[in-house]
Amino acid sequence: AQSVAQPEDQVNVAEGNPLTVKCTYSVSGNPYLFWYVQYPNRGLQFLLKYITGDNLVKGSYGFEAEFNKSQTSFHLKKPSALVSDSALYFCAVSPNTNAGKSTFGDGTTLTVKP
Amino acid sequence: GAVVSQHPSRVICKSGTSVKIECRSLDFQATTMFWYRQFPKQSLMLMATSNEGSKATYEQGVEKDKFLINHASLTLSTLTVTSAHPEDSSFYICSAIEDRLDPSGRECSEQYFGPGTRLTVT
Repeated sequence: AQSVAQPEDQVNVAEGNPLTVKCTYSVSGNPYLFWYVQYPNRGLQFLLKYITGDNLVKGSYGFEAEFNKSQTSFHLKKPSALVSDSALYFCAVSPNTNAGKSTFGDGTTLTVKP
Repeated sequence: GAVVSQHPSRVICKSGTSVKIECRSLDFQATTMFWYRQFPKQSLMLMATSNEGSKATYEQGVEKDKFLINHASLTLSTLTVTSAHPEDSSFYICSAIEDRLDPSGRECSEQYFGPGTRLTVT
């Protein structure tokens, strides 16, 4: 069975400061990891994914995530937060490249204050 | 990028009525679509996998007679909530898988989500 944990329900940062949204995972075999963002009453938007290769993955809107196999983590990061980054963020893990069977974390609400 | 649409975006209905939600892939063909349900401030729960031309595969605990899925074409899947009740009120999201070749010629798949449908049953 696969699982994802997002230990923080809420993350608050000031605009211009770096942000980190944490995610840890559990899966048998190679993990395929995804980050999505959701704005109110909207579907999910894809940010980035790790399939294989470099541990540091760069995605949309200046976000990046670092795959750490030893710590089974895939934390989402951005060097300088924007107020418009305020949204709900989901981490997901899939046992294969077919993201449709992903297991999603419970989500982390990011609030960036001006 | 690829676009997935859902219609309607919001629906309010009375208890006992049936509601149909459409999910369309607008610029690609999707042999596989997925239907999710999301409660307020909670994560997405996969309800079923919709396969074009065959029966949907439902996740454990999801009533197939309650949530009817029809994937009649490569660009359209519908979810019908039959005899809806207030506990069916939720945000329903679909996604579609685009199978394609990456620049190196390898097969890969990308998942695109619809904007969601807010169902409120009174």
